[in-house]
Amino acid sequence: TQLLEQSPQFLSIQEGENLTVYCNSSSVFSSLQWYRQEPGEGPVLLVTVVTGGEVKKLKRLTFQFGDARKDSSLHITAAQPGDTGLYLCAGEGYRGGSYIPTFGRGTSLIVHP
Amino acid sequence: DAGVTQSPTHLIKTRGQQVTLRCSPKSGHDTVSWYQQALGQGPQFIFQYYEEEERQRGNFPDRFSGHQFPNYSSELNVNALLLGDSALYLCASSFGQAGNTIYFGEGSWLTVV
Repeated sequence: TQLLEQSPQFLSIQEGENLTVYCNSSSVFSSLQWYRQEPGEGPVLLVTVVTGGEVKKLKRLTFQFGDARKDSSLHITAAQPGDTGLYLCAGEGYRGGSYIPTFGRGTSLIVHP
Repeated sequence: DAGVTQSPTHLIKTRGQQVTLRCSPKSGHDTVSWYQQALGQGPQFIFQYYEEEERQRGNFPDRFSGHQFPNYSSELNVNALLLGDSALYLCASSFGQAGNTIYFGEGSWLTVV
C-alpha cells in the first residue's frame, strides 16, 4: 500500500493544454514536496508546502496543499514540451524518531509539441 | 558548492556479485538517505544515516547494508545481487532532521545480468 497515491499515473497532452496532478494520503504530513525528474537524472525539488490551504506559484506551476494537510495538487498552465518528466510528490512521514521523505509512484507527463 | 555526488554513474554486475555505491553529501549536510528507484516508479526508501549510524530503515532485506563515514559520506552495499536489484540508486542529503530540504544526487544506475 502506497502511503502517497498519485494520479494520474501517465499523462500525454499537447502543448498549450492545462493539467492537474494529484497527491493523496490518509495520513497527515508536516510538509509535502513536489519534485520533477528527467530521464537519467535525480529528482529536483520544485516546491515545499507546509501550511494547510497553502498555494504556491512557480511561473506556470501552481501547487496547493490541502486544508487537512493530507493531499496536494500541482496544476500546470499552458504546458510546454520542456515540462515533460516524472512528477513526484513526497511527504515527510514521522517514523521512529525521525522524518523520512516518502514518495508517491509519480506521474509521468509527456507534452507533445 | 558541490551538490550531492554519487559514483559510479553506471555499472553492470552479474547475479550473485556484490556492489558498493558511494555518495558525498552536499556541503554542510550531515544526513544521508538512500533510495532505490525502479524504472517508471517513485523512489523507495532504503535507509538513512546520521552520525555514522543507521537511523531508519525501509522494507529492504539485509543484503542491503550501508555505512557513513566521519566526513558524512556514505556507502551502500548490496550483496548476492538479484536481477530485481537493477534500478537507479539515489542518494539524498540533508541537514539535521525534520523540515529541512533534501537534495538528490543524479544516481547510480545498476544493471544486474
